[in-house]
Order: sequence, then C-alpha cells, then structure tokens
Amino acid sequence: KAGVTQTPRYLIKTRGQQVTLSCSPISGHRSVSWYQQTPGQGLQFLFEYFSETQRNKGNFPGRFSGRQFSNSRSEMNVSTLELGDSALYLCASSYGPSNDRGYSNQPQHFGDGTRLSIL
Amino acid sequence: AQKITQTQPGMFVQEKEAVTLDCTYDTSDQSYGLFWYKQPSSGEMIFLIYQGSYDEQNATEGRYSLNFQKARKSANLVISASQLGDSAMYFCAMREASSIKAAGNKLTFGGGTRVLVKP
Repeated sequence: KAGVTQTPRYLIKTRGQQVTLSCSPISGHRSVSWYQQTPGQGLQFLFEYFSETQRNKGNFPGRFSGRQFSNSRSEMNVSTLELGDSALYLCASSYGPSNDRGYSNQPQHFGDGTRLSIL
Repeated sequence: AQKITQTQPGMFVQEKEAVTLDCTYDTSDQSYGLFWYKQPSSGEMIFLIYQGSYDEQNATEGRYSLNFQKARKSANLVISASQLGDSAMYFCAMREASSIKAAGNKLTFGGGTRVLVKP
C-alpha cells in the first residue's frame, strides 16, 4: 500500500511569492491534516480536511489556506511568503471517522514532508 | 499550559540497552488517544505506538512499549534493546475527543526528545 506522498520535497522561494504544496493520502484515507515544523515552534497544526471540508484550523494567519479534492488529495497554499514561513511542512492522512466513544485509534500517517526555504 | 510535555531534550543510550522517554499530558477530556512518532534526520514521521485512554492494557509493538499511568497523566515510551537505527527525534502526541467531535483529527505534539544510540 503506497504511503502518503508529498510534492515537492524541497522548495526555495523568495519573500512575497506564493507557494502550493501537494499531498496525496493513503488510498482509502479521507482525512488529511497539515502541520508546520520549525526549530523554534516545533510541530504546529495548520488545518485538517475531511471529505473536502475543512474540519479545523490552527492558529495561523489567513495567508495559509488549503483545500481537498474529491479523491482526497489535498493542497495547501501560502501567499505573500515571509522569512518565518521557512519550515518543514508535513501532511498526514488517516481513515477519519471516530468510534462510538468519540475518538479514533487510527494513527495519522505522515508523508516525507516538503522543506520550504524562503530567501 | 503545555498540553504535551517531554522533559528530556536529548539523551544517549548504549546499543542493546533499554531507554525510557518521558511524556506527560494535560487534558480535561475523558476520551483521548496518545501516540508516539519517530522522526529520523531525513524528516519523515513514523508512527510507533498508540494508547487509548480507555485501554486497560499498556500498548506494545515489537520493541516499543508504552508505560501508561492515567492518574499521573503520563505515557512514557520504552524502547528495548536499542539499535543504532533508533537514533532519531521522538515525539509524543495527543488527540483529544473534543478535538475529534468538534474538529477532527488534530494532534498536539510535545517538543520531542532526541535519542542518540552509541555503539
């Protein structure tokens, strides 16, 4: 079974530009989450999509946006890039639905990440 | 307050010895899940083990076991018979039921523990 695929692996941009990152989840997974990882802030949740709907959004400015397609593939977009956006962006997929107790034991499976550098 | 605390920023362990990585958490939810992930220097996040708040038995997966003490809100990871390939960052993460019901699969991560296995 193919894992989570993120493209591109590396990206170099300059301030003010915009960028689009792509994530293909594991087949059958309907939930896709995005995380930003930096040395200073650690791993921070960006947003999650389930069945093409954003279910939750982290505490990031509106420059960060995303979407999910009918095949569960997801993209995230960052506009007007700033130096502080340099980070490893990780995508994770999981099956999605909760069990009767209101939680799911299905782990999120992560891709290899996209390393974004802003010059 | 931090929801996930990993107090050991880094540690050395001798090959073939066991190591315990500490994780304490803070939640008011009755239903939650705790996860451990491994991140090698290449960047990908590898799922290791899961413990649900209602699980009575401590989780085990091969050389990984989770010492779950619910009353103390701790979920320490034990790696037995350490191997050189275990050198990596290790993250403890939590998914709360309120997160799932209201907002899906958001994971909250600790700051991580870097493990270096010495030959």
